[in-house]
This record gives sequence, C-alpha cells and structure tokens, in this order.
Amino acid sequence: ETGVTQTPRHLVMGMTNKKSLKCEQHLGHNAMYWYKQSAKKPLELMFVYSLEERVENNSVPSRFSPECPNSSHLFLHLHTLQPEDSALYLCASSQVGLPDEQFFGPGTRLTVL
Amino acid sequence: DAKTTQPNSMESNEEEPVHLPCNHSTISGTDYIHWYRQLPSQGPEYVIHGLTSNVNNRMASLAIAEDRKSSTLILHRATLRDAAVYYCILRDGNNAGNMLTFGGGTRLMVKP
Repeated sequence: ETGVTQTPRHLVMGMTNKKSLKCEQHLGHNAMYWYKQSAKKPLELMFVYSLEERVENNSVPSRFSPECPNSSHLFLHLHTLQPEDSALYLCASSQVGLPDEQFFGPGTRLTVL
Repeated sequence: DAKTTQPNSMESNEEEPVHLPCNHSTISGTDYIHWYRQLPSQGPEYVIHGLTSNVNNRMASLAIAEDRKSSTLILHRATLRDAAVYYCILRDGNNAGNMLTFGGGTRLMVKP
C-alpha cells in the first residue's frame, strides 16, 4: 500500500450504532488530520494530530471521537450520529514544517439513517 | 488564516491554457499561498505553493502578484483529467499545526 488509505470506503449506519473509520498513512509523516465534506459545503477541519498529540479540535460534537495510537494510524469513532452527519470523511497526513503538503486519502462516504 | 476569494466556476477548452485567479487582499507577510485540487470522487491533492516568487512544477505554474494580494494558477495545457475543484488557500508559515482552511474553490470544466 502506498500513500493514505481509508477504510471502509462506504458506510451506512443507524443513529444508535457505533462504528469506527480507519486511516493509515505509509509516508512516514508525523501529522494526521480528519476533515468533513458535506454536500455543497467547503471541507471542514475536524481534528489535527501532530506528533501523536491532538492539537486542534474545531468544536466537533462529542459523538465524534478521534484516536491516534501511533504516527501511522488515525481512527474516528462514531456513536449516536445524526442524519446531518452524513458526509464524506477525509483523512490526510503531512510532515510538520515547511513545505507542508498534505496528502489526502480517498475518503469514507458515510450515510446515517 | 486569511481569506481567499475565487470565482465559483470556469470553463476551458481542452489543450488550451487555463488561468485560475485568486484574491487574497488581507494576506500577511508570513502566509504561504497553496493550491489544491479535488477531482470527482477523490480526496484533494496538492498542486503547488509559493511565498513571493513565481513557481513552476510538473503540474502547474503559480504567478504571484508583486503586492501578493492576488495569485493565478496556470495550467499550461488543460486536459479532460484537469476537470476538478481548485482551492486557493493561505497557510501561515508560523502555524506549526499545518492547518488548511478550505473555501468553496473554483470548479473547472474542460470541454473537449
């Protein structure tokens, strides 16, 4: 595997389910990100981990819970989501410093019923 | 991060050059200008970035105005595969978190 991978690519869940999104980067980077892309809205940064420490949490509801066990893996744990949480969830990684090109995964298309 | 303004959409003919404008009149001295693009059904991908001087790479060129209040992404020969949403983003060089704030971008349509 190369680059940034995300699993699953598609997920349908009910409002009472608990699920997790997984992201893995094979680039040796030390920063990872979760973004949310809703229909007709710009990408929204949700969480940033730099050197495995969370450095940003953009007022994201607690029903989204990130986890970064090491510099290569990032999870987004989901519980009791709402239909408006249906969106494309994108993971990215980068090397802290300049230049700081972010590499994005293909995303997980989440539908909450 | 400072705000950028881009046209919502642009059209181009295949194999012709495309100039995608971006205004960033409130840019600060430490802001880098980054461009990303998002092809249909994919995550965004990095295109190019610069600070003051014009930049070229295999994908595109970036022309930065002398006062840095605007920039233009140049695709020298558009192909159908260049149809995407192009985002112009300012990134504070002092920001250790490498955070990017995406706007609405410009949707580029390429006609055969």
